[in-house]
Amino acid sequence: DAGVIQSPRHEVTEMGQEVTLRCKPISGHNSLFWYRQTMMRGLELLIYFNNNVPIDDSGMPEDRFSAKMPNASFSTLKIQPSEPRDSAVYFCASSLQAGDNNEQFFGPGTRLTVL
Amino acid sequence: AQSVAQPEDQVNVAEGNPLTVKCTYSVSGNPYLFWYVQYPNRGLQFLLKYITGDNLVKGSYGFEAEFNKSQTSFHLKKPSALVSDSALYFCAVRDRGNNRLAFGKGNQVVVIP
Repeated sequence: DAGVIQSPRHEVTEMGQEVTLRCKPISGHNSLFWYRQTMMRGLELLIYFNNNVPIDDSGMPEDRFSAKMPNASFSTLKIQPSEPRDSAVYFCASSLQAGDNNEQFFGPGTRLTVL
Repeated sequence: AQSVAQPEDQVNVAEGNPLTVKCTYSVSGNPYLFWYVQYPNRGLQFLLKYITGDNLVKGSYGFEAEFNKSQTSFHLKKPSALVSDSALYFCAVRDRGNNRLAFGKGNQVVVIP
């Protein structure tokens, strides 16, 4: 298996622009997680899905952030409009089933820089 | 809410010496506990987990961790550190009644040749 796939790996954009991050989970996994990592705040869970349904989005910073999972093999995290403080590494992870003892498998991340 | 504390920012150890990375946790019930490693410019990689049973858990790359319920700890250990073990290590916990995985802030491990 190719593992969790994220694109793009790097994104540089200007403040105010829309940013879309993409994730393909491991085939057969039915839970998907979006995290953000910064030096100041460490690793933060933004949102997670079970069977394509958002379960907990309490970590989403504000209305500028939105996430979708239209099918079992694809998810997007969108920031509109982007701000410099959104600069971070965004990770997608997947697991067999949230709520059980299954470990999460992480993608390589997208490094976002908002100028 | 569950939480994890990794008290040290950085752990320095000489190659060949034992390595210990400390983790304590707080949950309302019985925990699921995990260790992950992150190499530069990479995503987190799963090392090992404690679910139930034997308190000593063995994982990838020669790492092991010991669950201590009375001390609410889950320290990561390796008998003989390698330079290639230099990385960022994260402890994580999930309460069995809660689907969210709480990560610690991470510990930078530096293995000195």
